[in-house]
Amino acid sequence: KQEVTQIPAALSVPEGENLVLNCSFTDSAIYNLQWFRQDPGKGLTSLLLIQSSQREQTSGRLNASLDKSSGRSTLYIAASQPGDSATYLCAPDADKLIFGTGTRLQVFP
Amino acid sequence: GAVVSQHPSWVICKSGTSVKIECRSLDFQATTMFWYRQFPKQSLMLMATSNEGSKATYEQGVEKDKFLINHASLTLSTLTVTSAHPEDSSFYICSARVSMSLSGRFNEQYFGPGTRLTVT
Repeated sequence: KQEVTQIPAALSVPEGENLVLNCSFTDSAIYNLQWFRQDPGKGLTSLLLIQSSQREQTSGRLNASLDKSSGRSTLYIAASQPGDSATYLCAPDADKLIFGTGTRLQVFP
Repeated sequence: GAVVSQHPSWVICKSGTSVKIECRSLDFQATTMFWYRQFPKQSLMLMATSNEGSKATYEQGVEKDKFLINHASLTLSTLTVTSAHPEDSSFYICSARVSMSLSGRFNEQYFGPGTRLTVT
């Protein structure tokens, strides 16, 4: 059974900092891994999807890496802004998405 | 493209009644849809996998007779919460999976905006 853990559980930083959010998963037989953002009381916004054959994906200030063999993915956020405040979820997909516990991020001005 | 809608966005019902939530893929066909539940301050928990034209596959601990799932077409799946109780109050989110997205990615899932259910 896939288990997904995200560290840290919460993070509060001043704007401008570069951030690292970690995700680990137990079953490495995955098709892909997705990172999502969720604002309070809202649905999910897909940020990045990394195919199992890829090592990383970039979108703007976001970069996600994947090390499938070790069961790890990392989301880098460059030059954080208050608008980045949200909960970030990672979800490896081995026929179904299993969500991590999430990292609650607050970026203050 | 790749928009998934849910209806209603929120619903309040009395204990003992049934509530139906719709999930539609608006501009693509999805052979597989998923239903998730999210309690406050918790992550999303997969409830069931819904395949068009066949019975849904439920995750362990999810009562199939309580959470009825119908996937009658390639663009519509419904979740019916039967005999709802206050403990069923939650945020229900659906997703639709495409085998190959327009961006060329395999098995990408697109999520609906969610339905907030409150049972009084």
